[in-house]
Amino acid sequence: DIQMTQSPSSLSASVGDRVTITCRASQYIRSYINWYQHKPGKAPKLLIYGASSLQSGVPSRFSGSVSGTDFTLTISSLQPEDFATYYCQYSYSTFGPGTKVDVK
Amino acid sequence: EVQLVQSGAEVKKPGESLKISCKGSGYSFTTYWIGWVRQMPGKGLEWMGIIYPGDSDTRYSPSFQGQVTISADKSISTAYLQWSSLKASDTAMYYCARQSEMATITPAFDFWGQGTLVTVSS
Repeated sequence: DIQMTQSPSSLSASVGDRVTITCRASQYIRSYINWYQHKPGKAPKLLIYGASSLQSGVPSRFSGSVSGTDFTLTISSLQPEDFATYYCQYSYSTFGPGTKVDVK
Repeated sequence: EVQLVQSGAEVKKPGESLKISCKGSGYSFTTYWIGWVRQMPGKGLEWMGIIYPGDSDTRYSPSFQGQVTISADKSISTAYLQWSSLKASDTAMYYCARQSEMATITPAFDFWGQGTLVTVSS
């Protein structure tokens, strides 16, 4: 079974900050990684699929990249609506444990 | 418009059975996988399993195999998640989601239901 880890588990940031979240797979998974945003009381929202492809309608401040088994989600300039928990997912199953982004 | 509409919140006692539903509309229900995702109180998302309504091919996470049953009725475009004997530890929010093969031939959950809160308490 593929395991996913994320770091950090939480971070505090201000509007306008550049935010980077890292996800690592327990084995090589090519680019089979998705990123989701989840806010309390709402359904999760797909942001990035295939490690670096932006889902339709998602702002371009979100981006994804991959290096080996390490995957990165970057928010180039954090906006007020971006405070949420972010999850990576091995595309065929497992979610990472999540990274909560809150107000500094 | 693609929509997944889940059944309402449930309050059950330990040992009771339960079946929650997820009705799809606005797309060809039989040609997309539907997955189920659990979120326990204060915890993260957990992939439970997935079903292809076209032929009912079903895959389970090892953590949920034997604990739940995923099914679908393609005649009414509805997927189900059921328990035969609930435990307090089944208390959680459960989401269904449509899995699409995205442009990079990567599967992803692109549309989600609103969630069904299941509370199991004596």
